[in-house]
Amino acid sequence: AQKITQTQPGMFVQEKEAVTLDCTYDTSDQSYGLFWYKQPSSGEMIFLIYQGSYDEQNATEGRYSLNFQKARKSANLVISASQLGDSAMYFCAMRDLYNFNKFYFGSGTKLNVKP
Amino acid sequence: DAMVIQNPRYQVTQFGKPVTLSCSQTLNHNVMYWYQQKSSQAPKLLFHYYDKDFNNEADTPDNFQSRRPNTSFCFLDIRSPGLGDAAMYLCATSRDNRGSSYNEQFFGPGTRLTVL
Repeated sequence: AQKITQTQPGMFVQEKEAVTLDCTYDTSDQSYGLFWYKQPSSGEMIFLIYQGSYDEQNATEGRYSLNFQKARKSANLVISASQLGDSAMYFCAMRDLYNFNKFYFGSGTKLNVKP
Repeated sequence: DAMVIQNPRYQVTQFGKPVTLSCSQTLNHNVMYWYQQKSSQAPKLLFHYYDKDFNNEADTPDNFQSRRPNTSFCFLDIRSPGLGDAAMYLCATSRDNRGSSYNEQFFGPGTRLTVL
């Protein structure tokens, strides 16, 4: 069964505007972690932000925030004040305790920031 | 700086000629992963090691093998590369995640494999 769903293959955003990248997940575990990674065209995967299933506050890291809605099983990434350097693939990933060392990745969203 | 290193960054091989990709880490993480990633797709987990315990994914072809001689190093061997094996190969590490959901993966820069 697919664990992570990203329904936006591609997104465009104007520079300096905010953008939301969608991610929904599926698990029966109560304890799990959600991660977002950025992959520029150079290929390296860069960790952006983490949300734990028991965290009551939405995670924030600089311009990145995670809109965590546990009941809806969604973990959307919000990028504020988009920059040209934000143009990249973005992957949502999850780890749960059933297979505690496995990370499940979504299919990714390609973000293009327009000047 | 603690990091994950992959060598080489670019590898060209011939159809059917064995190739080995290497990964090393200075993070002292006990979990190491190999992913295959084709263009515009999600990384696909091939296998991972938890210490010396090897965990193969059910759909990983037998053509792909791995070795982890010590904590720091992990190798991906492709015994007879086919044209369909051309991809980016990503190595990643993580701390032991048992009992904790926090630990993220740290990725190397990847090795881009071309099969002629």
